Amino acid sequence: DADVTQTPRNRITKTGKRIMLECSQTKGHDRMYWYRQDPGLGLQLIYYSFDVKDINKGEISDGYSVSRQAQAKFSLSLESAIPNQTALYFCATSDSHYDRETQYFGPGTRLLVL
Amino acid sequence: DAKTTQPPSMDCAEGRAANLPCNHSTISGNEYVYWYRQIHSQGPQYIIHGLKNNETNEMASLIITEDRKSSTLILPHATLRDTAVYYCIVRRRAGSARQLTFGSGTQLTVLP
Repeated sequence: DADVTQTPRNRITKTGKRIMLECSQTKGHDRMYWYRQDPGLGLQLIYYSFDVKDINKGEISDGYSVSRQAQAKFSLSLESAIPNQTALYFCATSDSHYDRETQYFGPGTRLLVL
Repeated sequence: DAKTTQPPSMDCAEGRAANLPCNHSTISGNEYVYWYRQIHSQGPQYIIHGLKNNETNEMASLIITEDRKSSTLILPHATLRDTAVYYCIVRRRAGSARQLTFGSGTQLTVLP
């Protein structure tokens, strides 16, 4: 079983809809991250969380919100989806107690906003 | 984090060693060299990291020059499944969480 899972894997939605992307991990890591990747480009950090009570904005947080429901779960919401949020979204985890700089990524969610 | 320079693409024959270079001439003493790869549209995958000594794990070897201004990732027996974009990242181990800046990387194509 994968250590970092994301649901759904693919999603098509319409402009203005609210959607949620979910991430779960079984690695026992305290840190979790949400990134987006546009075609041919690198990853941009949306939000990150050091633990359940700690949420931080990344470089492109506008239009997104997150919820850290438990150590193992970190959800990303698009409050009102717009077409330029069409992208590949990745969740990642890292362990601050052992090696905070090594991040482990989920398989990604491909989102299309019409 | 120090800037890195990698060739945009490389080819390697299946079964041969793939040697991927990375220049990081502005690296500072407390910065590590990390390698990740991303197979088409999949999540990036951690490969290996090192500070000054050469490192080896089940996936690859990392050779860092004595002056630490460059490094080479070695995949000893490349397979078709190793075709991916390989990213060299230099960063400190300590400090607050920041995004991994992947840059443009090297597209490695393993040929049958």
